[in-house]
Amino acid sequence: KAGVTQTPRYLIKTRGQQVTLSCSPISGHRSVSWYQQTPGQGLQFLFEYFSETQRNKGNFPGRFSGRQFSNSRSEMNVSTLELGDSALYLCASSLNGAGLYNEQFFGPGTRLTVL
Amino acid sequence: GQQVMQIPQYQHVQEGEDFTTYCNSSTTLSNIQWYKQRPGGHPVFLIQLVKSGEVKKQKRLTFQFGEAKKNSSLHITATQTTDVGTYFCAGISNFGNEKLTFGTGTRLTIIP
Repeated sequence: KAGVTQTPRYLIKTRGQQVTLSCSPISGHRSVSWYQQTPGQGLQFLFEYFSETQRNKGNFPGRFSGRQFSNSRSEMNVSTLELGDSALYLCASSLNGAGLYNEQFFGPGTRLTVL
Repeated sequence: GQQVMQIPQYQHVQEGEDFTTYCNSSTTLSNIQWYKQRPGGHPVFLIQLVKSGEVKKQKRLTFQFGEAKKNSSLHITATQTTDVGTYFCAGISNFGNEKLTFGTGTRLTIIP
């Protein structure tokens, strides 16, 4: 069974631009969550989606948004990019409705650099 | 808001020595999960504990969840070079918005 895939793997943007990251969960997994990892702030939870609905949300500004499609694939969007948004963005999927209470299977991440 | 701290931040051990990382939450947790992230890699799930005072073992790894469900520990016996990486705990608070809060991590390096 294929693991969680994320595209693109690397991205360079400039301040003020917007970016969309994509995540395909493991087949059959319906919960998808997103995380930001930086050296300074560590691993921080962004949001979790289940059945196309955002169930839980972390403490990030409204510039960070996401969505989930009927096939459980998910996208994350960051608008008006700031230098501080440079980070590794990780997507994780889990099997069922228990979502965050289950084992999280992480993808390889998208490395975003904002210049 | 909920904070989860881990100590130590870094640990260098000789191969064969034991290693322990401690995880402390500012709030009571519903569960605690442990992950390992190799350099350049992504977090990989190790285990989940849900009961107060629970102890679980995986070969050389021993995980504990505190009685008050606010702290946890991971102990590795006789470290090997394959144990290199950063170990994170993560938990969901019993109260308020459910989010998986990760600890600050402990980076383990092994001296061969």
